[in-house]
Formats: sequence, C-alpha cells, structure tokens
Amino acid sequence: GQQVMQIPQYQHVQEGEDFTTYCNSSTTLSNIQWYKQRPGGHPVFLIQLVKSGEVKKQKRLTFQFGEAKKNSSLHITATQTTDVGTYFCAAIQGAQKLVFGQGTRLTINP
Amino acid sequence: DAGVIQSPRHEVTEMGQEVTLRCKPISGHDYLFWYRQTMMRGLELLIYFNNNVPIDDSGMPEDRFSAKMPNASFSTLKIQPSEPRDSAVYFCASSWYSMGEKLFFGSGTQLSVL
Repeated sequence: GQQVMQIPQYQHVQEGEDFTTYCNSSTTLSNIQWYKQRPGGHPVFLIQLVKSGEVKKQKRLTFQFGEAKKNSSLHITATQTTDVGTYFCAAIQGAQKLVFGQGTRLTINP
Repeated sequence: DAGVIQSPRHEVTEMGQEVTLRCKPISGHDYLFWYRQTMMRGLELLIYFNNNVPIDDSGMPEDRFSAKMPNASFSTLKIQPSEPRDSAVYFCASSWYSMGEKLFFGSGTQLSVL
C-alpha cells in the first residue's frame, strides 16, 4: 500500500544551522500533515498542507507541498535547542487511514 | 479541555499477564485512534473508531490484542496474554469529523512486558 518515506532518519546540527526533512510518496496525496514529538513526549500537530505547491510558514519553520502532491518538506531556519525532537509527516493511505512516516530525529549541539 | 487522557502512564507487567490501557478522547471528537510506537517500526496505527464503531482493525498485531469503545468518552486496548515484544509506547489520539482532521494525542502509556 501507499507509504510515506521520510528522510533523513537522523540529523545532528549545530545550533544556528538550518535543518530540512523530506517526505515522499509514490502516489498523489490528498493532503499532508506534520507533527513534532519532543523527547519523552507525544506527537503534536504542527500544520496541514492541502494545495499543490502550497507553502506555509510558522516563524522559523517553512512547510512545502510539492506541485505533484507527492512530496513535502519541513525546513527550520537557524535551529534552536527548543527545536530538538522527532518530526513526522503523515498522510491518508488508501482506505482512509492516517499513516505516519518514520520520522526524522533532530538533535542539536548548543 | 483537558485533552486526550490516557492511563496508566507507565505499566510494567510480566509475560502472560493481561494488560488494559485506557483512553478518554476529547469531548466532541468523532474519531479515536490507537497507535503503537517502537524504535523499529515507528508509529503504527492499530485500530480506529468512528462514532464508537471500529472501522479498521487491520493494524492489530494478532488476536491477543482487542479494543473497545463502549461510549463516546472511553476506549480500552487490551492485550491478553502479554509478551515481551509488546513492549512499546501506546498512544491514543482523537479528532473531529473526518480522517483529514488533525490528531490530538494523549501522553501515551509506556508498556514494559518482562
């Protein structure tokens, strides 16, 4: 069935560096959601993208949905220690199930 | 609103014992989901309910797992008998109206089966 592949699996950066995680699907997605999970915490919804080519910003976070609606990215500018955590994309699979990518774990060296 | 409430936060049990995880969704939400999170398999959808009715349980690993939602404000996930490979964090989540809506997750239950 449809899967959402997320890369990279891990990313370690120096504080102040940028960070990007990518989510890819072999099929067209109706929409895509992004979540953040802090260490020891639970996933928290960040944003949903619906339109082809959509770009949304939340402070230092920029979310993009590809023109073909098969890929998405989350970019963080000038990371801070509060950005530490695992970032997940999620999309509806076939029979109306919300499926999560494997996540990208971000660690930051202060 | 208190959000999605799960109990217990931590559960340590011995292999073969019955385990019951509990969830109270956000009032007014029509959908309730049970996810399992492990390092190896990530976040896996086990089962979800719409208006208290189980819609898709294809993610339930085997017959040892069962889930119920007797009313709109309560759901349980039961494992009987439990096995060490069931050790994971189990999340309950709820959402409004449709599958495309954002999920609100509970704090999870950390299950350790010895």
